[in-house]
Amino acid sequence: AQSVTQPDIHITVSEGASLELRCNYSYGATPYLFWYVQSPGQGLQLLLKYFSGDTLVQGIKGFEAEFKRSQSSFNLRKPSVHWSDAAEYFCAGFFGNEKLTFGTGTRLTIIP
Amino acid sequence: GAVVSQHPSWVICKSGTSVKIECRSLDFQATTMFWYRQFPKQSLMLMATSNEGSKATYEQGVEKDKFLINHASLTLSTLTVTSAHPEDSSFYICSARVRTGGSYNEQFFGPGTRLTVL
Repeated sequence: AQSVTQPDIHITVSEGASLELRCNYSYGATPYLFWYVQSPGQGLQLLLKYFSGDTLVQGIKGFEAEFKRSQSSFNLRKPSVHWSDAAEYFCAGFFGNEKLTFGTGTRLTIIP
Repeated sequence: GAVVSQHPSWVICKSGTSVKIECRSLDFQATTMFWYRQFPKQSLMLMATSNEGSKATYEQGVEKDKFLINHASLTLSTLTVTSAHPEDSSFYICSARVRTGGSYNEQFFGPGTRLTVL
């Protein structure tokens, strides 16, 4: 069955440090992949998406993600985090069945 | 970008009452809308998919008689929680899909509605 896995429930990084959030998927083909961010009490905002082509995709707010077929991964990165990046991050996949499948989320805490 | 609104943003009701949540696509026509439920510190769980003018398709385990969904127009879908109980307290998020004719049509998410049942 198709699935999206985010191995890290909670990550804490210092402001200004680099960030990588992990995402793995299980699917027999290449899915469409997404990263969303959710601030407390808010809806979801799309950070970036991968459909095909260049495996390194750029998103908003300085985020990027790299699709690695060999590892079935789509990790989110940011070179230098800001306090405003503290939020919940969801990786999601579209596996051709008309429904987005979400990972369990990673909560990001930024320490000064 | 496309904007999806939800109303109300939060609601508190007494056990046994019904609550209606509206989801609107403000600047586009959404042929498909989705309703999700999110428990604290958990992921989004798809409750149902609704297409304009037809009955909603509910996910396994979701009571269709309890969570009534009406997709009356291309810009409005409503979720009614009937005879609400404290266990229905949750964060409800709607999402609307734009049809562009491609193999994937992007979904846009509303800001969510916090329901608290006393």
